[in-house]
Amino acid sequence: EVQLVESGGGLVQPGRSLRLSCAASGFTFDDYAMHWVRQAPGKGLEWVSGISWNSGSIGYADSVKGRFTISRDNAKNSLYLQMNSLRAEDTALYYCVSATVAVAVFDYWGQGTLVTVSS
Amino acid sequence: EIVLTQSPGTLSLSPGERATLSCRASQSVSSSYLAWYQQKPGQAPRLLIYGASSRATGIPDRFSGSGSGTDFTLTISRLEPEDFAVYYCQQYGSSFRGTFGQGTKLEIK
Repeated sequence: EVQLVESGGGLVQPGRSLRLSCAASGFTFDDYAMHWVRQAPGKGLEWVSGISWNSGSIGYADSVKGRFTISRDNAKNSLYLQMNSLRAEDTALYYCVSATVAVAVFDYWGQGTLVTVSS
Repeated sequence: EIVLTQSPGTLSLSPGERATLSCRASQSVSSSYLAWYQQKPGQAPRLLIYGASSRATGIPDRFSGSGSGTDFTLTISRLEPEDFAVYYCQQYGSSFRGTFGQGTKLEIK
């Protein structure tokens, strides 16, 4: 059974940093691309960032480019999102998502970790 | 950047009825790289359809996807009570961008 478990969310002041983690199990993690997708309270889905199986290809939404950094550790079956210079509009539930069907088809989702940016 | 527009915003139907949800792209979606997701309150989204018409693992055959170019449709042939949820379309390609539509809420009439 595929499991994606996010951690690291919380309340943070504007301008500060936070690092999200995602522990993956139940599939061959180092074979597939991984992504972060977020959902602001009561709003729709927004793709945030994606990374290829070998970290050779990485993409970011324009809204986070230059502030967020995605990375992975295949030895630890883990995905990360370093979030710097956080803004109120970054407040959202952040989902860790796998892409085993195609590089950007989001087939398995974690339950999410909530990031709240507020003073 | 491709913009996806879903319609209607809200669809009110009864169990047993047929649901037709639309997703229109601002420019052609290459190779039908279009997916559909279902999200119920308090839950993570679930992949239903990818490649415009391929059902994901475990998805009942009452869900079907069609379309190409700029116009795509998700059809639920006969609504079950558990199908009432929010549905999102998403376009993807060889890059890592995965743009979503704004969603259609399917509610019980």
